[in-house]
Amino acid sequence: KNEVEQSPQNLTAQEGEFITINCSYSVGISALHWLQQHPGGGIVSLFMLSSGKKKHGRLIATINIQEKHSSLHITASHPRDSAVYICAFNFGNEKLTFGTGTRLTIIP
Amino acid sequence: EPEVTQTPSHQVTQMGQEVILRCVPISNHLYFYWYRQILGQKVEFLVSFYNNEISEKSEIFDDQFSVERPDGSNFTLKIRSTKLEDSAMYFCASKVRRSYEQYFGPGTRLTVT
Repeated sequence: KNEVEQSPQNLTAQEGEFITINCSYSVGISALHWLQQHPGGGIVSLFMLSSGKKKHGRLIATINIQEKHSSLHITASHPRDSAVYICAFNFGNEKLTFGTGTRLTIIP
Repeated sequence: EPEVTQTPSHQVTQMGQEVILRCVPISNHLYFYWYRQILGQKVEFLVSFYNNEISEKSEIFDDQFSVERPDGSNFTLKIRSTKLEDSAMYFCASKVRRSYEQYFGPGTRLTVT
C-alpha cells in the first residue's frame, strides 16, 4: 500500500518552463515535506508544510489538507533545478514516509 | 549553520563483515533517525531513537542492526553481518522536540561485495 503517491515519475522540460510536481497522501499527517536529491545522493529539505502555501525564490509549495494533496511548483526553470524531488510526510515525532520521487530534467 | 555529518562517505565491505556507520547530529537535537535508500528505490525508514532508546523500528531493522548513542554526540548504526542486499545509501537525520522538520546528513554509501 503506497501511502504517498507522486506524479509524474519523470519530467523533462525546456529551460524557462513552469514545472508542477504533485503529491497525494492517504493518511492524516502533521507535516508534508518537499525534499531535493541531487545525483550525488544528498537530501536537502526544501519545504515543510502543514497548511497553505510557502514560497522560496522560484519554488512554491502548496497543500490542501482536505484533499490530501500537495504540489511543488518551479517558475522559470533552470538546468540546475535538475534533480529528484521527493514528497514525504510525518505524524508528530514519527518517521518520515517517502514517496518514490520525481526525476526532473531541465534542458537548456 | 549547524549540520548533520556522517562518516565515512563511502564504505566497501565484504559480505559477513560488521560495519559501523557514524553520524553526528546537530547538537541541540533530541530525535534521531536512520533511513536507507537502495539504488533506484525510495528512501525507507529504519529506526528512530529518543531519550537513549529506540522509539520505533521498521521490519528492515532486524537483529542484524543496532543503534547506539555512545557519548552524547555520536549516533551510530551497526550492521553485524552484512549481506549483499544491505548495499545502499544510509542517511542519518535529527530534529528538535518542537518541530516536525528533520535535518539530513550527506549519507554513507555502503557497498557490500
